[in-house]
Amino acid sequence: DAGVIQSPRHEVTEMGQEVTLRCKPISGHNSLFWYRQTMMRGLELLIYFNNNVPIDDSGMPEDRFSAKMPNASFSTLKIQPSEPRDSAVYFCASSLISEQYFGPGTRLTVT
Amino acid sequence: RKEVEQDPGPFNVPEGATVAFNCTYSNSASQSFFWYRQDCRKEPKLLMSVYSSGNEDGRFTAQLNRASQYISLLIRDSKLSDSATYLCVVNESGGGADGLTFGKGTHLIIQP
Repeated sequence: DAGVIQSPRHEVTEMGQEVTLRCKPISGHNSLFWYRQTMMRGLELLIYFNNNVPIDDSGMPEDRFSAKMPNASFSTLKIQPSEPRDSAVYFCASSLISEQYFGPGTRLTVT
Repeated sequence: RKEVEQDPGPFNVPEGATVAFNCTYSNSASQSFFWYRQDCRKEPKLLMSVYSSGNEDGRFTAQLNRASQYISLLIRDSKLSDSATYLCVVNESGGGADGLTFGKGTHLIIQP
């Protein structure tokens, strides 16, 4: 079975550039989550969707971050403009009931 | 403010030993609890759920103490492959996935 798919796996970009991270959740799951993980802050929930509708975006750090889920099988997290402090691993996870299944993550480096 | 606290470690444990670590949570209304495992440079994966009566899965035992607001994970006969970071996860909503709060993890190193 295909798990959660994320792309790209690695992204290196320069400060000020736009970055788009992509996620395909597990088919049939109705909730999708975007997390950011750093050594200092651990795993932080940025935003989550239920049935494609954003439910809680209180974890989004600032207006430079935006997320969309146009359909049940695709979501994007966009950072514009990117800054060095955005460097982290970004995980997407999906769930049906309570257990969350994580994708492999996108390792973002902003120089 | 939601808080899930864990000792970051690292816990250095010889192979074959038993190791246990705890996690405390601040919200007494928390509904469900989990342990996730995360290997270096990999994604977190569910290890086991934690039930009120406690539960066991092979060498792993999870316990919940609601009165003192902590959960524990015990690993018996530890293997080298158990080396990982163990994340404590607390769900504060009514069982759905939306209220999950992750601890920062406890780093476990099993030494040969």
